[in-house]
Amino acid sequence: DSGVTQTPKHLITATGQRVTLRCSPRSGDLSVYWYQQSLDQGLQFLIQYYNGEERAKGNILERFSAQQFPDLHSELNLSSLELGDSALYFCASSVGHRDNAYEQYFGPGTRLTVT
Amino acid sequence: DAKTTQPPSMDCAEGRAANLPCNHSTISGNEYVYWYRQIHSQGPQYIIHGLKNNETNEMASLIITEDRKSSTLILPHATLRDTAVYYCIVRLPPINTNAGKSTFGDGTTLTVKP
Repeated sequence: DSGVTQTPKHLITATGQRVTLRCSPRSGDLSVYWYQQSLDQGLQFLIQYYNGEERAKGNILERFSAQQFPDLHSELNLSSLELGDSALYFCASSVGHRDNAYEQYFGPGTRLTVT
Repeated sequence: DAKTTQPPSMDCAEGRAANLPCNHSTISGNEYVYWYRQIHSQGPQYIIHGLKNNETNEMASLIITEDRKSSTLILPHATLRDTAVYYCIVRLPPINTNAGKSTFGDGTTLTVKP
């Protein structure tokens, strides 16, 4: 158990819909990351938040957005869903700006199926 | 970020050492080497990281060449539960804004056989 929790574990929805994925980081971790893992593209970095602020952005679609709340939990919002958005979505957390350590701890993931 | 190259698959006999290579020939001076593994569709698990020196923890050892252009992850006594996809990535120190953008490549699928 990494200490990172994600809900829900599974989500099935239809094209065009909107969903929200939730992540709670490990206690004390200030950074949260979101990744998408589909069969044909491996683990893709989407976005990182640090202490409530966006810190880095990867290949995140405009239909997707995220935020980190004052209690440090994060939500990833996916809208206008397409079949190609079906994937595993992982959240990870890390302590933050320690200059010699960047261990990320990953949650169990949310499996999204768009039909 | 530097890119890494790993063999797509490797086999190892149970109880033997598993040596997983990684090439990162374009690594910059302040980039760290990290190893993670992913078992089935579980979340990736952090294994070890290093900058220049060899590192060892309870899970594995990391050997980094002197020129830092390649590294090897060593699982000293592989078990069936070590069967997983192993990812080698390089990334900047956390103080760098872009440190979190490092991508995971295809990794090496390690199969430990009885």
